[in-house]
Amino acid sequence: GQNIDQPTEMTATEGAIVQINCTYQTSGFNGLFWYQQHAGEAPTFLSYNVLDGLEEKGRFSSFLSRSKGYSYLLLKELQMKDSASYLCAVRDSNYQLIWGAGTKLIIKP
Amino acid sequence: ETGVTQTPRHLVMGMTNKKSLKCEQHLGHNAMYWYKQSAKKPLELMFVYSLEERVENNSVPSRFSPECPNSSHLFLHLHTLQPEDSALYLCASSQDLLRDSGTDTQYFGPGTRLTVL
Repeated sequence: GQNIDQPTEMTATEGAIVQINCTYQTSGFNGLFWYQQHAGEAPTFLSYNVLDGLEEKGRFSSFLSRSKGYSYLLLKELQMKDSASYLCAVRDSNYQLIWGAGTKLIIKP
Repeated sequence: ETGVTQTPRHLVMGMTNKKSLKCEQHLGHNAMYWYKQSAKKPLELMFVYSLEERVENNSVPSRFSPECPNSSHLFLHLHTLQPEDSALYLCASSQDLLRDSGTDTQYFGPGTRLTVL
């Protein structure tokens, strides 16, 4: 079966760096997405990786290794507003999006 | 501001009620989606519409009935629901079906929090 694994919850300190991991086993691969979802709000697009390597976008970066079935989202200079759930999703060979259950990130002062 | 709106934001209904969820996208997109989001579980894709035609129905019980009268509006009609149907129902849109696009992403609405008593 197809599966996306990410930690259920993580805690980090304001101003620090945190890395949220995502591992996947899917039927084929056509890209990996990261979304941010604040409590009670819509998921919003953060990043897209289809080739191996690091994509940087301001304080957020996303890394992909297709051979390892692995990605991470790196958040730098954490702010209180970064407290949210972070969803990893993989597009498989049928272009279906397979979603992880999300990682709830708690930022402490 | 995502350009996708959903009403109502909260809904409480009994198992014998009939209600409808509404989604509207103001982005000129051609594809629309209904998802179910339960606590600590992955998003579950329920229905996919492309240019008002249903292209996917992921084994969803018949007590959920979608309707897409035009490319900007999507409804989810609910009847005879069960308590386990309580969840956040998210609507999303994308320019085209994901299988027809490269880096295209989905834009989500804020969801309707449904509670079935």
